[in-house]
Amino acid sequence: DVKVTQSSRYLVKRTGEKVFLECVQDMDHENMFWYRQDPGLGLRLIYFSYDVKMKEKGDIPEGYSVSREKKERFSLILESASTNQTSMYLCASNRPGGAGGYTFGSGTRLTVV
Amino acid sequence: KNEVEQSPQNLTAQEGEFITINCSYSVGISALHWLQQHPGGGIVSLFMLSSGKKKHGRLIATINIQEKHSSLHITASHPRDSAVYICAVFTSGTYKYIFGTGTRLKVLA
Repeated sequence: DVKVTQSSRYLVKRTGEKVFLECVQDMDHENMFWYRQDPGLGLRLIYFSYDVKMKEKGDIPEGYSVSREKKERFSLILESASTNQTSMYLCASNRPGGAGGYTFGSGTRLTVV
Repeated sequence: KNEVEQSPQNLTAQEGEFITINCSYSVGISALHWLQQHPGGGIVSLFMLSSGKKKHGRLIATINIQEKHSSLHITASHPRDSAVYICAVFTSGTYKYIFGTGTRLKVLA
């Protein structure tokens, strides 16, 4: 069964901490995405990557960075966590052109206190 | 105005009822995706369609490209159908999806 795995389901971090959210896929997908999901706002794209070491800003990149050193792994980094980054974070992947649709991870609920 | 609008935002139904969730979009698309998100967060794909109708068990999805509208139907609803249903459109010529804000469905026993 194909999978997108996010390393943590729940995280609690303090304001100002550097936070790493990890995502690994086993489908050899080129494209990987990081979304955040907030009530009433739906899923909003933070960053995406279409190849190793390539990245593109999404709709809300401020306060975030990403790393893609290997094809299967896409990391989201909160350089200095703030309370307004408390959210559900979802990773997804697909093939170029998106013909097969997205496969999502199970999400990481991050709380910044 | 959002490029993808879903209605209703919230829906409560009795077990056994026929349910319809609607999705309208204002952009050119190459495909539309219906997703299901259960409490706890994980999202699973239900349907991906670019024309006509698809059926899987008690779920039916239709799309009208000319009217830029899709519907998700659930027949003989069950409490285990309780979830958030999300419509996402795959815009023509891009890598990205645009998501609706979701419809929260609760089916009561």
